[in-house]
Amino acid sequence: GAGVSQSPRYKVAKRGQDVALRCDPISGHVSLFWYQQALGQGPEFLTYFQNEAQLDKSGLPSDRFFAERPEGSVSTLKIQRTQQEDSAVYLCASSPGNVRIGELFFGEGSRLTVL
Amino acid sequence: GNSVTQMEGPVTLSEEAFLTINCTYTATGYPSLFWYVQYPGEGLQLLLKATKADDKGSNKGFEATYRKETTSFHLEKGSVQVSDSAVYFCALSEGNTGNQFYFGTGTSLTVIP
Repeated sequence: GAGVSQSPRYKVAKRGQDVALRCDPISGHVSLFWYQQALGQGPEFLTYFQNEAQLDKSGLPSDRFFAERPEGSVSTLKIQRTQQEDSAVYLCASSPGNVRIGELFFGEGSRLTVL
Repeated sequence: GNSVTQMEGPVTLSEEAFLTINCTYTATGYPSLFWYVQYPGEGLQLLLKATKADDKGSNKGFEATYRKETTSFHLEKGSVQVSDSAVYFCALSEGNTGNQFYFGTGTSLTVIP
């Protein structure tokens, strides 16, 4: 498809399980972002890639969160030993270049529920 | 630090009513400002943007003016439609690469016929 694709759309995990969320950005987009959106809140920045390089991971809440984009295209956000506070919608966005004056193209998100 | 504060919702309006959603920001430099919209069942999408002071962004009948003196970027529309029902997010981007967007908490708008 032409847009940003995320999978799975919904994930239910038991506390302590590991989860992996996938993002397929728009083809050719250099920049890729992950955001976390809690219920009733705005998206909170997690991490940013430019091609395969992870240039900013300052928003990752703990060392249980890990993101990669090994070939500069598809990205995976992995959460180890999930906790209930990890329940949120995880949004992926991509952009062709410098987002200061451009725009982010968002996927529909992956809703994670940790029981 | 950088932050965005926007008017809390939910907002309910009748069709053809005037809409204002307030947004103010705090930034250490000279940010770009954005409004994103999320329609039911869809991802966030850019509605409009302004990259410097006094710029006006506009799209689909919506407008917002970048006011540096009041650090505001209020969203307005003269006559809302049922199809405008959505959640609206104010956001800013700053820095040389602008790789961090700061979003407000979102304002839910429902337009009734």
